[in-house]
Amino acid sequence: DSGVTQTPKHLITATGQRVTLRCSPRSGDLSVYWYQQSLDQGLQFLIQYYNGEERAKGNILERFSAQQFPDLHSELNLSSLELGDSALYFCASSGRTTSYEQYFGPGTRLTVT
Amino acid sequence: DAKTTQPTSMDCAEGRAANLPCNHSTISGNEYVYWYRQIHSQGPQYIIHGLKNNETNEMASLIITEDRKSSTLILPHATLRDTAVYYCIVRSLLADKLIFGTGTRLQVFP
Repeated sequence: DSGVTQTPKHLITATGQRVTLRCSPRSGDLSVYWYQQSLDQGLQFLIQYYNGEERAKGNILERFSAQQFPDLHSELNLSSLELGDSALYFCASSGRTTSYEQYFGPGTRLTVT
Repeated sequence: DAKTTQPTSMDCAEGRAANLPCNHSTISGNEYVYWYRQIHSQGPQYIIHGLKNNETNEMASLIITEDRKSSTLILPHATLRDTAVYYCIVRSLLADKLIFGTGTRLQVFP
């Protein structure tokens, strides 16, 4: 158990809809990262938040947005969903220890039909 | 971040050492080598990391060559539960994101 929790575990929705994925980092970790894993693209970094502020952006679509709240949990919002958005979405957190390793949650499997 | 090259797949007998190689010939002086693994669609799991010295923890050992252009992850006594995709990632501490390649699919057989 990494200490990172994600909800929901599975999500099935239709094209054009909007969903919100939630992540709670390990206790004390200030950084939250979102990654997408699809069959054809592998694991790709989407976005990072540090203590409520956006820190880094990766291959995140404009239809996607994220935020980190004062209690440090984070939400990833996906809108106008397309079939190609079907993927595993992972959240990770890190606490700026000297090793900077990231701890990943169990993921949310999104299926768009 | 430097790119890495790993074999697509490897097999290992249960109880034997699994040696997973990684080439990172363009690594720069401030970049570390990190290893993660992903067991069947679970979240990636941190294994170990190093800069230039060999490292060992309860999960594995990391051997980095003197020129730092390659490294080997060693699982000393592989078990069936070690079957996973292993990712070698090179990153500087300032670069927060992890860039995952295709990794090595390790199959441990009885």
